[in-house]
Amino acid sequence: EAQVTQNPRYLITVTGKKLTVTCSQNMNHEYMSWYRQDPGLGLRQIYYSMNVEVTDKGDVPEGYKVSRKEKRNFPLILESPSPNQTSLYFCASSLGPGTDTQYFGPGTRLTVL
Amino acid sequence: GQNIDQPTEMTATEGAIVQINCTYQTSGFNGLFWYQQHAGEAPTFLSYNVLDGLEEKGRFSSFLSRSKGYSYLLLKELQMKDSASYLCAVRSDTGKLIFGQGTTLQVKP
Repeated sequence: EAQVTQNPRYLITVTGKKLTVTCSQNMNHEYMSWYRQDPGLGLRQIYYSMNVEVTDKGDVPEGYKVSRKEKRNFPLILESPSPNQTSLYFCASSLGPGTDTQYFGPGTRLTVL
Repeated sequence: GQNIDQPTEMTATEGAIVQINCTYQTSGFNGLFWYQQHAGEAPTFLSYNVLDGLEEKGRFSSFLSRSKGYSYLLLKELQMKDSASYLCAVRSDTGKLIFGQGTTLQVKP
């Protein structure tokens, strides 16, 4: 089944404790992206990747890192999480950045205390 | 700057027609998407427009006017399951997808 998976789905952590949210897709998509969704602010892009080893900042990259060592995986790293990073996070992938539909993962609800 | 505007909330009656508008101002344009998102779930693709005009797909249609920076999503024969948020998103030339805040639609019996 074609899908985008994220882990964990739910996470409660404390300020400053490094964490990684994994994202994997099995559709051989080149383009992958991370978003956060907050009430009243909609979906905002954190980082995106056009292909392996190619990543670029979205609208709200501060406090986040990503890597794209393989085409299928695009982990999101929070080196020192803070409470303002409490949010719902979505990973998405598509064949390319142009006209292709993005497929979203199920979401990761993160709470930073 | 980049800006996408949609109404925050709309209410409609089961069986009726509703139109959700979206206006945008972005640097570069490479298509406009509409997504549906039920509460607590991931967005799912509804439609894509890159040329002016109307795209029809079953009960859902989407319209685009690039000169006016305007799109709308038309939902016909509303069903209770159509209660959801509808997200308008514009893709820039660099590949970035910029989302509006979303419109929460409530369908009442």
